[in-house]
Amino acid sequence: KQEVTQIPAALSVPEGENLVLNCSFTDSAIYNLQWFRQDPGKGLTSLLLIQSSQREQTSGRLNASLDKSSGRSTLYIAASQPGDSATYLCAVRRDNYGQNFVFGPGTRLSVLP
Amino acid sequence: ETGVTQTPRHLVMGMTNKKSLKCEQHLGHNAMYWYKQSAKKPLELMFVYSLEERVENNSVPSRFSPECPNSSHLFLHLHTLQPEDSALYLCASSPGHFLSGNTIYFGEGSWLTVV
Repeated sequence: KQEVTQIPAALSVPEGENLVLNCSFTDSAIYNLQWFRQDPGKGLTSLLLIQSSQREQTSGRLNASLDKSSGRSTLYIAASQPGDSATYLCAVRRDNYGQNFVFGPGTRLSVLP
Repeated sequence: ETGVTQTPRHLVMGMTNKKSLKCEQHLGHNAMYWYKQSAKKPLELMFVYSLEERVENNSVPSRFSPECPNSSHLFLHLHTLQPEDSALYLCASSPGHFLSGNTIYFGEGSWLTVV
């Protein structure tokens, strides 16, 4: 059974710092991996999607990498801003039969001004 | 605004009540989903509908009953819930459940408290 973990559970950094969020999954046979952002009491917003054949994806100040063989993904946030404060979740899609994501518990990020 | 609208945003119900959560998507998608997010567990998939047919039911108790009258609307009917069912219920949609590479769009969720 696929399990997804995220480290750290919570992170607090001063504004301007570069930071890395980690995601690990137990079964490397994934179809793709997606990073989401969730603001308090709100739904999820997709940030980056990496197909299993890809190594990384970039969008603005965000860069996500994927090492499928080791079961790891990282989300790199450059020059963090207070508006980046949110919970970040990674999710792996089990196979190409549908949008069956297994989610990690999330990392709660606080960026202090 | 993600194009997926959920109502109500907050609901308090007694264990003997019957209530429903509603989800509507304005994206022309063919697949809709219910997820549960509780304080101590990761996001859990409950139900998947593709072209108005239920294609997944992840061992959800029968006190939760989904309904998908058309590809734009999804309901979750609630009956005789337990306090441990209190959670954020998230609706989502995607262009097609069986299509590869598609992302998924979430609503803002309905906070349910069972007293």
